[in-house]
Amino acid sequence: SQQGEEDPQALSIQEGENATMNCSYKTSINNLQWYRQNSGRGLVHLILIRSNEREKHSGRLRVTLDTSKKSSSLLITASRAADTASYFCATDARGGSEKLVFGKGMKLTVNP
Amino acid sequence: EPEVTQTPSHQVTQMGQEVILRCVPISNHLYFYWYRQILGQKVEFLVSFYNNEISEKSEIFDDQFSVERPDGSNFTLKIRSTKLEDSAMYFCASDSTGELFFGEGSRLTVL
Repeated sequence: SQQGEEDPQALSIQEGENATMNCSYKTSINNLQWYRQNSGRGLVHLILIRSNEREKHSGRLRVTLDTSKKSSSLLITASRAADTASYFCATDARGGSEKLVFGKGMKLTVNP
Repeated sequence: EPEVTQTPSHQVTQMGQEVILRCVPISNHLYFYWYRQILGQKVEFLVSFYNNEISEKSEIFDDQFSVERPDGSNFTLKIRSTKLEDSAMYFCASDSTGELFFGEGSRLTVL
């Protein structure tokens, strides 16, 4: 399957610290996306990185993509309690379907 | 800011009953999706819809499921005869550029 797998599955840090989440996937992709989900809510798109990009920034978010290792990382700098949520990576398969396939998600807890 | 809206937010139904979940996607989007998330588990793809027809569906999307875009704005998911294992959050999403915009979900509880 192409789905991403986030690592670690849960992370607890103090406010102000950086949080790094990793995602691995199995097939060639067009792009990889990160989404955030607050408990009981819908998913919110954070950032998209294309297969020909290696790094992308958006505010306190930094995403890297290594297509040779089929992996991506999401870094949240200077974390805040409001960053507490589940984070999912999602991929679409190159040359195949256009649907997004989500990983299992990673629960981030930022303690004030 | 445009958003995807879903109704109902929560529906409780008896096993074997029909359920219709409704979604209003963002108006200029072309692609529509249903995903589901069983409590605490991963987000699973059900079906994608483009140009008034299903473009792709997963193994989960069996004959008990159907989708419609009856009036050019609503996008519905129907479960004909619900089973206990259909209990989940159902998310509608739409997109035009590859970035999905999700609704807040409809929680379905099958008793």
